[in-house]
Amino acid sequence: AQSVTQLDSQVPVFEEAPVELRCNYSSSVSVYLFWYVQYPNQGLQLLLKYLSGSTLVKGINGFEAEFNKSQTSFHLRKPSVHISDTAEYFCAVSVGGATNKLIFGTGTLLAVQP
Amino acid sequence: EAGVVQSPRYKIIEKKQPVAFWCNPISGHNTLYWYRQNLGQGPELLIRYENEEAVDDSQLPKDRFSAERLKGVDSTLKIQPAELGDSAVYLCASSLDQWFSGGNSYNEQFFGPGTRLTVL
Repeated sequence: AQSVTQLDSQVPVFEEAPVELRCNYSSSVSVYLFWYVQYPNQGLQLLLKYLSGSTLVKGINGFEAEFNKSQTSFHLRKPSVHISDTAEYFCAVSVGGATNKLIFGTGTLLAVQP
Repeated sequence: EAGVVQSPRYKIIEKKQPVAFWCNPISGHNTLYWYRQNLGQGPELLIRYENEEAVDDSQLPKDRFSAERLKGVDSTLKIQPAELGDSAVYLCASSLDQWFSGGNSYNEQFFGPGTRLTVL
């Protein structure tokens, strides 16, 4: 069965500093990987996705993530964060084929401080 | 283009009462999902519809939860009777299925703002 682990429940960081949010997954088959962002009292918004091809994926708002198959990781990075990046970030995995079922991690709260 | 619409946004009820949530997906999206998000957790799929057909309801607690998607457009999720443990945010999402060659598929799911349910 597929699963997603986000080890950090909360990541405090100062504005303009770099940040990395960690995500590890387990799966015995090929997967698609996603990062979603959830602002307070809002639904989830797709930041970026990995389906195939280049392991470095660029998304919206200056975020990027790198797929590492040997380490089964898909860490999210941003070189310089803003106050407006404060939100909950969810990593998710989907097994291809007919299921299209997203398995989410428990989320990481990115708290950007001035 | 309008996004996924959900109502109500907030609902407070006493335990053992019934409650219903409504979702209107993005126009033209054939697949609709209901998720439950407990406090401090990621969303968990309850049920997935392809048009009118529920193709994955394995995580739906069928003793008290029911869902329908008549005419393959909007959908209603019902809980009867509600329990304290049902307090959560209920998210609806929709997608337009896209298929790669070889039979694999990818579909971006667009989420609504959710309904926050509090059971007292």
